[in-house]
Amino acid sequence: DAGVIQSPRHEVTEMGQEVTLRCKPISGHNSLFWYRQTMMRGLELLIYFNNNVPIDDSGMPEDRFSAKMPNASFSTLKIQPSEPRDSAVYFCASSSGLNTGELFFGEGSRLTVL
Amino acid sequence: SQQGEEDPQALSIQEGENATMNCSYKTSINNLQWYRQNSGRGLVHLILIRSNEREKHSGRLRVTLDTSKKSSSLLITASRAADTASYFCATGDSGYSTLTFGKGTMLLVSP
Repeated sequence: DAGVIQSPRHEVTEMGQEVTLRCKPISGHNSLFWYRQTMMRGLELLIYFNNNVPIDDSGMPEDRFSAKMPNASFSTLKIQPSEPRDSAVYFCASSSGLNTGELFFGEGSRLTVL
Repeated sequence: SQQGEEDPQALSIQEGENATMNCSYKTSINNLQWYRQNSGRGLVHLILIRSNEREKHSGRLRVTLDTSKKSSSLLITASRAADTASYFCATGDSGYSTLTFGKGTMLLVSP
C-alpha cells in the first residue's frame, strides 16, 4: 500500500512568493496532520483535520499560513507570502482515528525561502 | 511548547552495545509513543505504550513508562549501524487528539 504522499519533496523559492505543499493521506485514514520541523524548534503541530474538517489550527504561525482539505484524499498547506523564517521541513501525517494512535508520516517537503 | 524532552541529545556507541534514551514529559498522558527518523526521511512509528502499562517489548526494543515520574525510556539492544537515526518520544494527552513531540535523541552506531 502507498504511504502518505507529499509533494514537492524540495522547494526553493524567493521571499514573497506563494508556496503550496500537497499531501495525500493513506486511504481510509480520517485524521490528517501538518507538522513543521526545524533544528531550533523541533516538530511543531500546525493544524489537524478530522473527517476533512479543521479541528485545531492554533499552531498555524500567522495568517500567511492556510490549510485546506477539500476531500478525504487531498490536503494543501499554503504560505503566502513566504519569508526566509518559513524555511523548514513540512510533514504531513495521517492516522485512522482520534485517540492519539500511531501516525503515519510522509517523507516531508523541504522548503527553502531565500 | 514541547511536551516530551529526550535525553541525551546525542548518543554515540559501537555496534553490539545497548542504547538507552530517556524521555520526560509534563502533563498527564493517555499514551506515549516512540518514533524513529532517518536522515532526510519521515518519522516512522516504533512502539506505543499506554498509560496503564509499565513495560513493552518489540523485537530489540524495550520501552518502559513510569507515570509517577512522568518519564519513559527506550532501550535498543545489540545495536546495529542501521539503527543510526534520530529517536523521538511523543505524548498523547488525556482527552486530546494530537501528539506532541520532543526534540529527539540522535543515535550514532559505529561499526
